[in-house]
Amino acid sequence: EPEVTQTPSHQVTQMGQEVILRCVPISNHLYFYWYRQILGQKVEFLVSFYNNEISEKSEIFDDQFSVERPDGSNFTLKIRSTKLEDSAMYFCASTPDSYEQYFGPGTRLTVT
Amino acid sequence: DQQVKQNSPSLSVQEGRISILNCDYTNSMFDYFLWYKKYPAEGPTFLISISSIKDKNEDGRFTVFLNKSAKHLSLHIVPSQPGDSAVYFCAASGTSYGKLTFGQGTILTVHP
Repeated sequence: EPEVTQTPSHQVTQMGQEVILRCVPISNHLYFYWYRQILGQKVEFLVSFYNNEISEKSEIFDDQFSVERPDGSNFTLKIRSTKLEDSAMYFCASTPDSYEQYFGPGTRLTVT
Repeated sequence: DQQVKQNSPSLSVQEGRISILNCDYTNSMFDYFLWYKKYPAEGPTFLISISSIKDKNEDGRFTVFLNKSAKHLSLHIVPSQPGDSAVYFCAASGTSYGKLTFGQGTILTVHP
């Protein structure tokens, strides 16, 4: 069964550094998303992406964040200058043409 | 943001009995509701969903009920199995392909 994959599983970075989180959505899916979950809190929406454009973004998704689909398979989330409060699990998700989104296993980002 | 609420942080049931997980929402624009199951160190796994035009949807041991007038949905698991022990999230969406808004999650423990 096709799955969303994410790399790395765990990323440790220093405050102020740039990080890129990578996702490979399910191959025939058209809509892509990033969510995050800070420890002990809800899963929160960050951004959705369709047809090489951002279709919706949350207040969290400020100028420090960007997304890209550099080729036909990868979908990346970049944080330009990480802050301590960016420490969270980051989940990528995709959907073909429906409400049901399929999530990857997540990347644990730790900012020190 | 309390648009989707799961008021029970945890639920403990005996194997073979029914598990009932509850979820309330406030946004009347939500028209699709989903339940996800999450194990530690994994991403949310889609379980079952329901459109606002229905009041019930079944899939094997899982049934979701929607009461639109009360803005309430519930997930019934019958019979419960130890492998069902996980965190269960309800989520809601107002548009196809749109962002999901999650509840806080309920930790289900099924005892043998």
